[in-house]
Amino acid sequence: NAGVTQTPKFRVLKTGQSMTLLCAQDMNHEYMYWYRQDPGMGLRLIHYSVGEGTTAKGEVPDGYNVSRLKKQNFLLGLESAAPSQTSVYFCASSYLMTGGDLAKNIQYFGAGTRLSVL
Amino acid sequence: AQKVTQAQTEISVVEKEDVTLDCVYETRDTTYYLFWYKQPPSGELVFLIRRNSFDEQNEISGRYSWNFQKSTSSFNFTITASQVVDSAVYFCALSEGYSGNTPLVFGKGTRLSVIA
Repeated sequence: NAGVTQTPKFRVLKTGQSMTLLCAQDMNHEYMYWYRQDPGMGLRLIHYSVGEGTTAKGEVPDGYNVSRLKKQNFLLGLESAAPSQTSVYFCASSYLMTGGDLAKNIQYFGAGTRLSVL
Repeated sequence: AQKVTQAQTEISVVEKEDVTLDCVYETRDTTYYLFWYKQPPSGELVFLIRRNSFDEQNEISGRYSWNFQKSTSSFNFTITASQVVDSAVYFCALSEGYSGNTPLVFGKGTRLSVIA
């Protein structure tokens, strides 16, 4: 059981280049999230999805786009990378439990993608 | 608005000392969840505990214990007899609502260094 897998683990971009970060989960989770972690800032939410075909903005969405075409995958795109987007990106997923065992509603995180934009 | 404050940026202790990591939160919801995650030097985020707003009972898990006090909006984390392997960044986080899977709001983290 792989859990939450992020691809790639490291990447260096030049300003203006584009790229897509892939998050895949094999736990059949409905919810998926993208966060970024910057030194001294904790983790901040970029975008999230409550199900296949849905996305919503988080705290810091500017400069990013996302897509959730399949339930198991959540893609984060940078159309024109900027140095301010240098960060560690984390993907997470969780169940959607509205009754019963709410203890399952825990966000599980991937190992992170370290992105540098020069 | 929801907010999580971890006032301690860095803490350094000698092995076997007890250490408490503070977490203060703000929310207008009456139903919410609080979490602690550990981020070791390898970088991954490890879930430690989840507590809902209706359960103020303290919890102990081995050397770890958590003190939840709604009256002071705090959810503090204590490590007893610290070990070098406890060295990590610890994050407190808040999720509003009944289900507990709304996006997390994180504190800025506390870096704990345990010295042998």
